[in-house]
Amino acid sequence: AQTVTQSQPEMSVQEAETVTLSCTYDTSENNYYLFWYKQPPSRQMILVIRQEAYKQQNATENRFSVNFQKAAKSFSLKISDSQLGDTAMYFCAFIYTGNQFYFGTGTSLTVIP
Amino acid sequence: GAVVSQHPSRVICKSGTSVKIECRSLDFQATTMFWYRQFPKQSLMLMATSNEGSKATYEQGVEKDKFLINHASLTLSTLTVTSAHPEDSSFYICSARGATGISNQPQHFGDGTRLSIL
Repeated sequence: AQTVTQSQPEMSVQEAETVTLSCTYDTSENNYYLFWYKQPPSRQMILVIRQEAYKQQNATENRFSVNFQKAAKSFSLKISDSQLGDTAMYFCAFIYTGNQFYFGTGTSLTVIP
Repeated sequence: GAVVSQHPSRVICKSGTSVKIECRSLDFQATTMFWYRQFPKQSLMLMATSNEGSKATYEQGVEKDKFLINHASLTLSTLTVTSAHPEDSSFYICSARGATGISNQPQHFGDGTRLSIL
């Protein structure tokens, strides 16, 4: 069975500061993909970043980067220079050839002006 | 980028009413569509997976007679909540994956439907 765990239900960060959201997962699969999705108050699901498990290099997208530790099954998201628009729920997600997304329970991030 | 349109965005209706929610892929053919339910401040819970032209696969605990899913074409899937009751009130989200999709292509999400049953 595949599980995704986000141990931080809520977090806050000062505007312009850096914050890291944690995610761990459990799987016996070797080839899989990991994602971070953002869900703002509008509740639209927005893809933030993704990582292929076979790639050792950590993915980056502008102010967003991940720290992917495959052996530890850890996939944390770092947001640099936090902006007010980053306030949202963040979901870590896992997918493999079964096509089904496995979502974590989410972390509610508040950026404080 | 790929766009998935979900309609309606908000529904308020009386108990006992059946409600249909549409999910359309606007610029790609979606061989697989997924329906999720989300309670406030909780994660997305997969309800069912539908493949074009075949019966939907429901997750354990989801009543297939209650939540009817039809995926009649490569661009449209519908979820019908039959004889809805207040406990069916929730946020429903669809997502779609293309015909050429492989595991690393993320699903494209609709904007969701907020269903409120009085």
